[in-house]
Amino acid sequence: GQSLEQPSEVTAVEGAIVQINCTYQTSGFYGLSWYQQHDGGAPTFLSYNALDGLEETGRFSSFLSRSDSYGYLLLQELQMKDSASYFCALRYSGGGADGLTFGKGTHLIIQP
Amino acid sequence: NAGVTQTPKFRVLKTGQSMTLLCAQDMNHEYMYWYRQDPGMGLRLIHYSVGEGTTAKGEVPDGYNVSRLKKQNFLLGLESAAPSQTSVYFCASSYSTGVDGYTFGSGTRLTVV
Repeated sequence: GQSLEQPSEVTAVEGAIVQINCTYQTSGFYGLSWYQQHDGGAPTFLSYNALDGLEETGRFSSFLSRSDSYGYLLLQELQMKDSASYFCALRYSGGGADGLTFGKGTHLIIQP
Repeated sequence: NAGVTQTPKFRVLKTGQSMTLLCAQDMNHEYMYWYRQDPGMGLRLIHYSVGEGTTAKGEVPDGYNVSRLKKQNFLLGLESAAPSQTSVYFCASSYSTGVDGYTFGSGTRLTVV
């Protein structure tokens, strides 16, 4: 099976930079994704890393290291609207199954 | 474009009742999924479909059935609802294996009393 671990809560200051870590265990996977979910809303796709390294999309960047079974989401120039839950998710392969396995989510609190 | 539409948005059921949740997408996506989200548990995959006429079990399939008779629709059925099925249900769709991300519906909040 697959499992992902991420911190349950992170607090940061408006305008600062924050990193949300994700460690995982899996026997095989295509890549690591990140999703954002505001309270009461639907998850929205942020980024996908198929290969090791950094992917940048505006203020958000995501990193993957397959050798360390580790990834992170980096948010820069934090804004109050970034207060949300962030989920890492593995697109796993093998075993005849398909789909994303999600971590339990990190609640990001932005303070003024 | 509407994207992924789920109906209903809210529902209260009595234990033992049945219901069907409807998911419709207008993006011509092959893959569709049903997840449930419970506090502190993240999203867990119930069933999924890789194309019209196909369905498969996910991580937590017990107590649920699905059908994909048309490419744009994916139905989730509860034959005999139980309080443990109280949850928020999300439908999602994707074009391929996840590079472009999943598009989620706005969710159905189901309470079983």
